[in-house]
Amino acid sequence: EPEVTQTPSHQVTQMGQEVILRCVPISNHLYFYWYRQILGQKVEFLVSFYNNEISEKSEIFDDQFSVERPDGSNFTLKIRSTKLEDSAMYFCASSEIEQFFGPGTRLTVL
Amino acid sequence: AQSVTQLGSHVSVSEGALVLLRCNYSSSVPPYLFWYVQYPNQGLQLLLKYTSAATLVKGINGFEAEFKKSETSFHLTKPSAHMSDAAEYFCAVSERNDYKLSFGAGTTVTVRA
Repeated sequence: EPEVTQTPSHQVTQMGQEVILRCVPISNHLYFYWYRQILGQKVEFLVSFYNNEISEKSEIFDDQFSVERPDGSNFTLKIRSTKLEDSAMYFCASSEIEQFFGPGTRLTVL
Repeated sequence: AQSVTQLGSHVSVSEGALVLLRCNYSSSVPPYLFWYVQYPNQGLQLLLKYTSAATLVKGINGFEAEFKKSETSFHLTKPSAHMSDAAEYFCAVSERNDYKLSFGAGTTVTVRA
């Protein structure tokens, strides 16, 4: 059964460093998303991506964040200069009709 | 803008007992409603969804949910809890199937033997 995959499963970084979280969506899906879940809080929408451009982004998705689909299969989330409050679980999802979620990347900013 | 409220952050049930997880939504357009389950250290798995067809929706693992427009509710039930149902459950709403999801805060279910 096709699934969304994410790498790495856990990333530890120093405050101020750049991180890139990677996702491989399901191959025939057209819509891609990033969500995050801070420990103990609800899952929050970050950004959606369709036809090689951002279709919507939340207030959380400020200039420190960017997304890219560099090679037609991967979908990446970059955080340019990480802050302590960026520590969270980041989920990628893709959809054709319903959204399928990856297992997440746990980002820890020290 | 749409939002979801899940009543009860933690539910504890005995094995074999009814599981009832409450979800109320608000939406300015006819909603699409979803229940997701998250097992420890795993991603979100779709249990079931309502997309304006039948109001009683059956999902995986014996779960079902009923859309009640008059009550703006989409409560999740399972007649008989199993130990494997211990997980966190999220209700979510969107404006359409391919649109961003707005999640509730989640309800953690524990099942007592």
